[in-house]
Amino acid sequence: RKEVEQDPGPFNVPEGATVAFNCTYSNSASQSFFWYRQDCRKEPKLLMSVYSSGNEDGRFTAQLNRASQYISLLIRDSKLSDSATYLCVVRRDTGRRALTFGSGTRLQVQP
Amino acid sequence: EPEVTQTPSHQVTQMGQEVILRCVPISNHLYFYWYRQILGQKVEFLVSFYNNEISEKSEIFDDQFSVERPDGSNFTLKIRSTKLEDSAMYFCASRRTGEDSPLHFGNGTRLTVT
Repeated sequence: RKEVEQDPGPFNVPEGATVAFNCTYSNSASQSFFWYRQDCRKEPKLLMSVYSSGNEDGRFTAQLNRASQYISLLIRDSKLSDSATYLCVVRRDTGRRALTFGSGTRLQVQP
Repeated sequence: EPEVTQTPSHQVTQMGQEVILRCVPISNHLYFYWYRQILGQKVEFLVSFYNNEISEKSEIFDDQFSVERPDGSNFTLKIRSTKLEDSAMYFCASRRTGEDSPLHFGNGTRLTVT
């Protein structure tokens, strides 16, 4: 089983739609969680960290469920510029401490 | 905003040749990383570096790979004898102290091995 699993998509949504991505992680030692965004052939860029209590940054809301080992990202009022691949990223607190990336979920926002 | 910078942006080399990929991490960051991404695949961890030594490496980071911080600003990845399967985008990243501090990535070096 992959350490971080994501639905690859693509998710094709119209502008203004709300879209949610899910991610599951297999290692219960995972401690820190992030969503990164990656545009085609570019570097990953931090979108937001994910905190246990859930957190919001403008149109973006992240949730963490440690019991189910599940992370989500909600994007409200989608913009064309939100089209990208969204990467779920975890860091363990034991063993390998480096970030482990999911394969990403591709979002295409259409006019 | 400070950035991680990588050079060159694209490197073409022949199989069996040595390549050195260069990175300048953000100046007050202490942890440095190399990741790679084969076209169409996920971002994969190669190695992390702290306090002038490797702190972690993956199974990908075999004897053909090495890293160095030759001076106070540069961080390099050397591939001794490139193979076709080394063709990928190589990303350097850095972060400050604190376990929850996020990685900041450079814009990558695309390595093409022919």
